[in-house]
Amino acid sequence: RKEVEQDPGPFNVPEGATVAFNCTYSNSASQSFFWYRQDCRKEPKLLMSVYSSGNEDGRFTAQLNRASQYISLLIRDSKLSDSATYLCVVNNQGGKLIFGQGTELSVKP
Amino acid sequence: GAGVSQTPSNKVTEKGKYVELRCDPISGHTALYWYRQSLGQGPEFLIYFQGTGAADDSGLPNDRFFAVRPEGSVSTLKIQRTERGDSAVYLCASSSLKGADTQYFGPGTRLTVL
Repeated sequence: RKEVEQDPGPFNVPEGATVAFNCTYSNSASQSFFWYRQDCRKEPKLLMSVYSSGNEDGRFTAQLNRASQYISLLIRDSKLSDSATYLCVVNNQGGKLIFGQGTELSVKP
Repeated sequence: GAGVSQTPSNKVTEKGKYVELRCDPISGHTALYWYRQSLGQGPEFLIYFQGTGAADDSGLPNDRFFAVRPEGSVSTLKIQRTERGDSAVYLCASSSLKGADTQYFGPGTRLTVL
């Protein structure tokens, strides 16, 4: 079993749709959590950190449930420019990042 | 300021050859990380430096892989006797504090072993 698992993709949605990505992690000692975005043939870029209290950045909302070891990302009113691969990422002790395999999102007009 | 840079952007080599991949971190960042990303997968950790020393090399797949950071800035990932399975995008990232700050990724080096 992989340490970080994500919903398989791809997700194909129309503009304006709400889309949710789910992720689970296996190491209960994991310390910090992130969503990264990766455009085709580009490097991953930090989208947002994820906190137990939940956090929102514009159309993006991230949630962490430590008891269930579950992380989510909600995108509201999706735009064409949101099309990318979304990577669920966990940071255990020591700083190295553990990535999920990524979920591809395609937003269509 | 300048981000993380990596050279070359693309490298094609033959099976059995030796390759070196270079990473220039963001100026002043003390932590440097190497990851490898295969098609359709997320990046996988290889090695992490804090300053000049390798703090964690648990992700290096075997002894053909080696990395250095002699002056605590630029790092070189070295792969000996390359195999077709080494083909991937090699990503470098840097951060200002160990485990405590955002990691900024470079554009990667796409390695193809024929």
